[in-house]
Amino acid sequence: RKEVEQDPGPFNVPEGATVAFNCTYSNSASQSFFWYRQDCRKEPKLLMSVYSSGNEDGRFTAQLNRASQYISLLIRDSKLSDSATYLCVVPRGGSQGNLIFGKGTKLSVKP
Amino acid sequence: DAGVTQSPTHLIKTRGQQVTLRCSPKSGHDTVSWYQQALGQGPQFIFQYYEEEERQRGNFPDRFSGHQFPNYSSELNVNALLLGDSALYLCASNRDRGWSDTQYFGPGTRLTVL
Repeated sequence: RKEVEQDPGPFNVPEGATVAFNCTYSNSASQSFFWYRQDCRKEPKLLMSVYSSGNEDGRFTAQLNRASQYISLLIRDSKLSDSATYLCVVPRGGSQGNLIFGKGTKLSVKP
Repeated sequence: DAGVTQSPTHLIKTRGQQVTLRCSPKSGHDTVSWYQQALGQGPQFIFQYYEEEERQRGNFPDRFSGHQFPNYSSELNVNALLLGDSALYLCASNRDRGWSDTQYFGPGTRLTVL
């Protein structure tokens, strides 16, 4: 099993749609999780951190299921500006851990 | 407040050459990590520097080496370049708090090996 695995995508959705990305991780000891957003040919930028069962920030909701080792990211009312690649990230180790990235899921929001 | 900066932005080298990439961390950050991102892949961890020492290393050969300076800036050196080293090299910084802290990424250096 890969350390971090994401939906392969791409996702092509109309404006206003709700879209969900899934991610599974192999290290059951992981305590924190992140979703990063990466625009084409740019650096990854932190979108959300998840430390407990979930986190919500406006149109974005991240949920964590520790028993299933599964993280999801839900985007409601998609905007054109949401078009990007979404990276699921799990730190390796409990302290000063390096980050393990999934391959990313590309989202294209169309008018 | 300047974020993470990297130089150069782009670089073209030929096989067998050596390259040095540079990174200045975000103000207040003392830990620097380097990642390699090949096209269509997520970033892969190369190594992390803290207190001028390599603290963790990913699965990269010894051709990849680094350094951290007293001002927390860092360099990534790659010797004997291979075509497969062509990638976006990302530097990330964070504050060492004894647990995994949010890492902020620089814009990256795009390396092309011909």
